[in-house]
Amino acid sequence: DTAVSQTPKYLVTQMGNDKSIKCEQNLGHDTMYWYKQDSKKFLKIMFSYNNKELIINETVPNRFSPKSPDKAHLNLHINSLELGDSAVYFCASSPPGQGADTQYFGPGTRLTVL
Amino acid sequence: SQQGEEDPQALSIQEGENATMNCSYKTSINNLQWYRQNSGRGLVHLILIRSNEREKHSGRLRVTLDTSKKSSSLLITASRAADTASYFCATDAVWGYSTLTFGKGTMLLVSP
Repeated sequence: DTAVSQTPKYLVTQMGNDKSIKCEQNLGHDTMYWYKQDSKKFLKIMFSYNNKELIINETVPNRFSPKSPDKAHLNLHINSLELGDSAVYFCASSPPGQGADTQYFGPGTRLTVL
Repeated sequence: SQQGEEDPQALSIQEGENATMNCSYKTSINNLQWYRQNSGRGLVHLILIRSNEREKHSGRLRVTLDTSKKSSSLLITASRAADTASYFCATDAVWGYSTLTFGKGTMLLVSP
């Protein structure tokens, strides 16, 4: 009965590789987000999708491409991984019509680029 | 620059004591929220206070908001070891898209 789930939990890969992180929410929310949390715990919004449509792209390199096949899923694909991409990536969702009200976070995916 | 700044960066107290964390922000907001993050886990929403509210309670949590000073505080009363976590404030700015901007967090350690 997990509300927001992400896979994988850990991802270790070499520089230059392409990888994907999947996110699913079973809360019926319309809006989903991807955040990046760096080693100093600073959490920054990357993307926001509402009903499968991109709303926010916060100056993220175009190596990062979100894909929303339906409103319950928001996957993150990263091309040509770089050392600086190492971080914890969190997916989140929020209820319809509530904008930036309460957000529900997934457990995170720790990405390590070697 | 980031919207929210928590203070202190780290706080260490004994069980039973109260913990107070502060958050300052820069622009006008619709609401301010506090989240908790246990080590290695995702963020969990604790409480939301709207810009027209001054104080809000939820169990052992008390949040205040002073929009004239652009600051908020989170008070955890009668702390427990299980309260050990990082606490983040997040603001929903009036301008721009409806999204949250997070501070860097306060790491709280509650010792038994």
